[in-house]
Amino acid sequence: AQTVTQSQPEMSVQEAETVTLSCTYDTSENNYYLFWYKQPPSRQMILVIRQEAYKQQNATENRFSVNFQKAAKSFSLKISDSQLGDTAMYFCAFGGNKLVFGAGTILRVKS
Amino acid sequence: SAVISQKPSRDICQRGTSLTIQCQVDSQVTMMFWYRQQPGQSLTLIATANQGSEATYESGFVIDKFPISRPNLTFSTLTVSNMSPEDSSIYLCSVGFRQSTEAFFGQGTRLTVV
Repeated sequence: AQTVTQSQPEMSVQEAETVTLSCTYDTSENNYYLFWYKQPPSRQMILVIRQEAYKQQNATENRFSVNFQKAAKSFSLKISDSQLGDTAMYFCAFGGNKLVFGAGTILRVKS
Repeated sequence: SAVISQKPSRDICQRGTSLTIQCQVDSQVTMMFWYRQQPGQSLTLIATANQGSEATYESGFVIDKFPISRPNLTFSTLTVSNMSPEDSSIYLCSVGFRQSTEAFFGQGTRLTVV
C-alpha cells in the first residue's frame, strides 16, 4: 500500500519570501504521479502542481516548483514570492484519479 | 476539466438519521470517488462509485454505513446512514477522466451530527 508523509503540521512565511513544504512517500510501483493540492478555507481542493514519476525534470508552475527525488521518495514543494492568497492547507498526494493524501501542512503567509 | 456541484454544502443532522449527498458533474466522467475529511485531518477515500454496479469500498468503510449510487456518468450520491457524532466530517466528491491524471473536486459537504 502507498503511504504519504508530511512531517510539517504548520509553516509560516513572510510575504514575498520563499518556503518549502516537505513530503515523502512509499510505494513499490515504478510509474506513478505525485501531486500537491491546496485547500483554502473555502474547502475547495485546488491542484497546484503535478509530477510524473518517469520524468526526471522537476515540474514548475509559475511560483510553484517541486524537488522530486525518486530514489529518496521525496517530493517537496517550493513556493517563491509567497502571497497572502497562498495561505491554505497543502496536501501532498500520490496516485492518479484515485489519491492517497498526506496529513497536510497548514501554511500561513504573514504580511 | 469538470465543474462539480455538490449538495448540500452543509447540514446539521440528528444522530440516528441519514443524509444523502449529491454530486453532479457538468460532463461525462470516467471515475467518481467519495472522500471523507474528518476535522483537522486529511482526506481518506471512502469508495469508488461505479456506474450501474456496486461501489468499491476501501478498508474500513462498508456499504451499510455509506451506500453509494451512480446511475449514470454524471451523477452520484453518498448516503451517511444511522449517523453518530463521529460522522461529523467534510465529505467530498471527486471525478476523473481515464485519459487524464488530474482529479477534480467538489466543494464538499460539511456535516455536523448532534
